[in-house]
Parts: sequence; C-alpha cells; structure tokens
Amino acid sequence: GDSVTQMEGPVTLSEEAFLTINCTYTATGYPSLFWYVQYPGEGLQLLLKATKADDKGSNKGFEATYRKETTSFHLEKGSVQVSDSAVYFCALSDPGSGYSTLTFGKGTMLLVSP
Amino acid sequence: DAGVIQSPRHEVTEMGQEVTLRCKPISGHNSLFWYRQTMMRGLELLIYFNNNVPIDDSGMPEDRFSAKMPNASFSTLKIQPSEPRDSAVYFCASSLTGEVTEAFFGQGTRLTVV
Repeated sequence: GDSVTQMEGPVTLSEEAFLTINCTYTATGYPSLFWYVQYPGEGLQLLLKATKADDKGSNKGFEATYRKETTSFHLEKGSVQVSDSAVYFCALSDPGSGYSTLTFGKGTMLLVSP
Repeated sequence: DAGVIQSPRHEVTEMGQEVTLRCKPISGHNSLFWYRQTMMRGLELLIYFNNNVPIDDSGMPEDRFSAKMPNASFSTLKIQPSEPRDSAVYFCASSLTGEVTEAFFGQGTRLTVV
C-alpha cells in the first residue's frame, strides 16, 4: 500500500537558519504530493503541492521538488522565522489506488528560536 | 466560505458515556474524511465518505465507533461507549474529488475521556 516516511523531529533551529525536512514515499500509481502545516491548536493547512515529476511546489518561502527517481519530496526553506514553528506533514494522493484519499507521514515538529 | 466547521472544540466525558462529534464540510465539496491524531500514532484516517456514501471505513478502530453522513452538509462521528484510550484530537476534512485531492481541515475536536 501507499506510505509516507518523514524524518523524526523535533527539528530545532535558530532564526534565519536553512531548513530541510526529508520525505520519501511509496505509491502504486503516480501520486500527487503535498506538504501540510499544523500550527499549535489548529487544523492542518495546505502549504504546497506538486502533481507530477520534477514539479516544484512553493509557498511562503518554502519549496519542495517532486523527485520520481528517488521517490522524495523534501521540504526546504532558506531562512526560517520563529513564526514557522509548527508541525509539518508530508502527504500523497494516489489516484491509482481508486478513490483519491490522502496518506500522511507522522509529521515533523519544527522549533525555531530567536 | 467559513471553511470546515467542527463542534464541539473541546469535549470532556466520563468513560462509558456516548460522545458525538459533528462536522460541516465546505459547501460543494463531495468528499469528507474523519481523522484521529495522537502523539503515539500520528494522524490516522478513520473513515472516508464520497457523495455521502462511506467508501472506506477500515480505519475505524472498533465497533464502538460509527460515522454517518445523512446529507452533503453534515456528518457525525459517534463513540459509544467511550474509553480513556479514545482521548485524541479528531479532525474532519473535506475536498473535491478529482485528480489532485487537496483537503481542507477543520480546527478539530479535542476529546478527553476520564
């Protein structure tokens, strides 16, 4: 079945540091890939997405590139802010499995200190 | 649109009592998901409805859990009887079924069973 594996957290960084959160996936078809973010006390929000190989999703300074050859979708940001502290979830949607549902990774907590 | 609306935001109940969680999806969305989030297991899909019909309920932990979607604008998740291990945050999400499934999440219901 489909699965998503993320690096375990928490990831602790100082403000303005470079961020990478690794994500790899297993899917039967050709999935779409997503990063969701969850701020404390809130639900998940879509951060960015990519629908086919080599696509780059970007939003709010975050980027991720769909790498089919390595089945990866790593999240990056060049300079993190304290306000980026949240839990980040990598997810996929695989139409090849029938109905399109989202499969999530376990989430990676990011803590950014001033 | 107000987004996905869940109620209540917080629920504290005694073991053995019935608990009902409610969800109003975004108008026009035809897919609805119930997720449970815990520290130990992360985000788990409990059940998925498409056009008000339950498509996949394999994530429902046991017979104490049931979910209904009587119309396109309302869904419930019921736990009867509740147990302390059901304590978690329960999220409802909705989406448009299509090639790229972007889910919109509610703010969740934090359930505590004592």
